[in-house]
Amino acid sequence: EVQLVESGGALVQPGGSLRLSCAASGFTFSTYPMHWVRQGPGKGLVWVSRISGDGSSTNYADSVKGRFTISRDNAKNTLYMQMNSLRVEDTAVYYCAVQRSGNVYWGQGTLVTVSS
Amino acid sequence: QAVVTQEPSLTVSPGGTVTLTCGSSTGAVTSSHYPYWFQQKPGQAPRTLVYDASKKHSWTPARFSGSLLGGKAALTLSGAQPEDEADYYCLLSDTGPWMFGGGTKLTVL
Repeated sequence: EVQLVESGGALVQPGGSLRLSCAASGFTFSTYPMHWVRQGPGKGLVWVSRISGDGSSTNYADSVKGRFTISRDNAKNTLYMQMNSLRVEDTAVYYCAVQRSGNVYWGQGTLVTVSS
Repeated sequence: QAVVTQEPSLTVSPGGTVTLTCGSSTGAVTSSHYPYWFQQKPGQAPRTLVYDASKKHSWTPARFSGSLLGGKAALTLSGAQPEDEADYYCLLSDTGPWMFGGGTKLTVL
């Protein structure tokens, strides 16, 4: 059974940094691209970033480019998101997700709140 | 990057039929976009209902069906139930970035 468990969400001040983690199990982690998706309070789903299975290729939404860095450790079956220069508008639940066998599997999400 | 459009809100009567649509600013939505439809209820992560435009999972209620219709992806709910009240999101994907629609808030009333 595919499981994704996010962690690392917290309350942080504007301009601060945070690192999110997503522990994956139940599938061959290194084979699949992974994504981060966020959802602001009362808002819709917004794609944030993607990383290829071997970590060699990454993509970012324009809103986070240059501030967020996605990475993965295939030996630890873990996905990361380093978030720097955080803004109030980055406040959201952050989900990690994987597309596999016609399904998109989601974690339960971790809440990032950016506020002074 | 393309903008993916959905109806912001729709209302359907219990037992009624409603169609949600998903369009792209760059042109017609096709099978090459591998359209997904997700259902999300408050406080929950999204759940996949339909993938590849029209394929369903074992957990997808039979009253939901997906299609490509008039250059858009469509999700039709036939025989709406109170438990279908939720937010619905489409996703257009390929091998790169994902593109989500803004979501449709479906009310069963």
